[in-house]
Parts: sequence; structure tokens; C-alpha cells
Amino acid sequence: GAVVSQHPSWVICKSGTSVKIECRSLDFQATTMFWYRQFPKQSLMLMATSNEGSKATYEQGVEKDKFLINHASLTLSTLTVTSAHPEDSSFYICSAPGQWWEQYFGPGTRLTVT
Amino acid sequence: AQSVAQPEDQVNVAEGNPLTVKCTYSVSGNPYLFWYVQYPNRGLQFLLKYITGDNLVKGSYGFEAEFNKSQTSFHLKKPSALVSDSALYFCAVRDEGANRDDKIIFGKGTRLHILP
Repeated sequence: GAVVSQHPSWVICKSGTSVKIECRSLDFQATTMFWYRQFPKQSLMLMATSNEGSKATYEQGVEKDKFLINHASLTLSTLTVTSAHPEDSSFYICSAPGQWWEQYFGPGTRLTVT
Repeated sequence: AQSVAQPEDQVNVAEGNPLTVKCTYSVSGNPYLFWYVQYPNRGLQFLLKYITGDNLVKGSYGFEAEFNKSQTSFHLKKPSALVSDSALYFCAVRDEGANRDDKIIFGKGTRLHILP
């Protein structure tokens, strides 16, 4: 089956620094990837749709200058949290669509900003 | 507009009993429906999907779901619950007419507790 990886799985950073999260489709190509944020015991919040070779599409209320998304190849999308603050601490998950419109999710990245 | 509702925040079931996790949806066209499971500190895992065909769909780990067009529902079921089924379950929907790479809509999730 389709496999999506994320790196790192867990990161701690200091307030004001930037953190990059990678999302890779390991055995298939993904022209589109989705980035979600999940707060404890809550549902997924779609942040943006990442499109290979073009600009990402951000959901309403998501700061595009804070959450930089780059989709430079058919197997890699990156999310950079710039000038991170404690309120950015969360669980970030990426996904890519499969053949039948199902989503294949990465294992997630736990970001803690101190 | 597409929407999906999971009316129960939490469902408690005794081990060995049948379980049902409810999901209702709204789309303008024909629905594509999905169920996912999330274990603590993990990403979501795909369980099953309904695209077309038989209303009863079988998926991973012994789960199944029944598509009911008249009730716009897609409830997740399992005949005999296991403690290891305890997790967070998400229902999702997309419209048949959507582009392949369009986002799908997720419910808020239902936490399933299987009691030993």
C-alpha cells in the first residue's frame, strides 16, 4: 500500500526559531499533499493544500507567512513553521491522495515550542 | 457544501459486544465515504471506503460499514469488539464530482473505548 513518511516525528524548539517538517510519499508520486494540525483530543484541522510546482492553497485563517509550504518534487512536501511560538505547539500531519481518493497519512510530527 | 457529522464524542462498549460508530453526511452529488482510525500519537490509518457498489463495505481489522443513501449515513460496525480497537475514529466524505486532489471533509471524530 501507499506509504507516507514524516520527519521528524518529534521536535522541540525555542520560541522564535523556525522548524521544518518533511512529508514524503515513499512508493508513489503525489502532485498534491495536505497538511493538517491536530490539537489534543480534537479533530483534524486542514491547514493547506500543497501543490507540486505551484503555490500552496491555504485555508481561511491560516497564516501563509508563518506556515511556509514547499512542494518541490512529486514525493516531497515541506512545512516550515517560522518564528515559532508556544501556541504553535501541536501535532502536524500530512497526507496524500491515493488512487481511489482515499488519503494516506504520515505518522505525524509532534512540535513543542518552549 | 459537503459536511459530515459524528454525533457521538465517545462510545463505550464491552469487549466481545458489537460496536457501532455513527456517521452522517451531506453532499450535493454522490458521496465517496471513508473511515479512518487514529491511535495515540500516530497518524490516521485508512480502514475502508465506499465508492460505489454494495452498500456493505468490509475493511481492515474486521470492521465494516453500511452505506444508507436514504438516511445519508455510513455507520462503522464490528461484530465483536476488542480492547485493541480503542482509538479515535474519523468519518470522511467527498463529493463524487470533486477533483481527485480536492480535500475531503472529516468529522470531528469519535473516541471508542472498549472495556475489558
